[in-house]
Amino acid sequence: AQKVTQAQTEISVVEKEDVTLDCVYETRDTTYYLFWYKQPPSGELVFLIRRNSFDEQNEISGRYSWNFQKSTSSFNFTITASQVVDSAVYFCALSEKTSYDKVIFGPGTSLSVIP
Amino acid sequence: DARVTQTPRDKVTEMGQEVTMRCQPILGHNTVFWYRQTMMQGLELLAYFRNRAPLDDSGMPKDRFSAEMPDATLATLKIQPSEPRDSAVYFCASAISPGTGVTGELFFGEGSRLTVL
Repeated sequence: AQKVTQAQTEISVVEKEDVTLDCVYETRDTTYYLFWYKQPPSGELVFLIRRNSFDEQNEISGRYSWNFQKSTSSFNFTITASQVVDSAVYFCALSEKTSYDKVIFGPGTSLSVIP
Repeated sequence: DARVTQTPRDKVTEMGQEVTMRCQPILGHNTVFWYRQTMMQGLELLAYFRNRAPLDDSGMPKDRFSAEMPDATLATLKIQPSEPRDSAVYFCASAISPGTGVTGELFFGEGSRLTVL
């Protein structure tokens, strides 16, 4: 059964600090997809990234970077030089090939960036 | 801009009343999800459909919740009778999927905030 764990419930950092949000997943499938979503205080869910299980290359997009490691079943998200606008709840999610489109979200990590 | 539309945005009702939430997925998307978000449980998957067929509704309390897709442009989530513990934000999301895992982005609606007194 698929499962996503985000052990950090809340993180607080001072602006300009780097912060890493952890995501650990469980799956028996060899084909699966991982996602990160951001939920700012306004409430909408904003897509950040999708990764498939065959693509272990790390990705960088501006101040955001993602580290996918199949060996540890982790898909961690790093924000470099954090800004107040990064304050949000961040969700990691998993979709397995054999679960026919079921997308399961982790519990989320609430990030507060203090000016 | 293509977007998922949910109604109502906010609903306050009394315990025992029927509540119906509606979702219009993005045109061309074949997979529709209903999620419930609460502080305690986070984002829970209630049910989802592909090509209008229900694939999994194991996340829903069956005795009071029902989800349907009467056509490709409308998904509904009904609660009857509603209870205070149903108070939450209900999100609808749509995606394109070949049926072997959602390979692309889930597009979320703005959510329906339900308060049951």
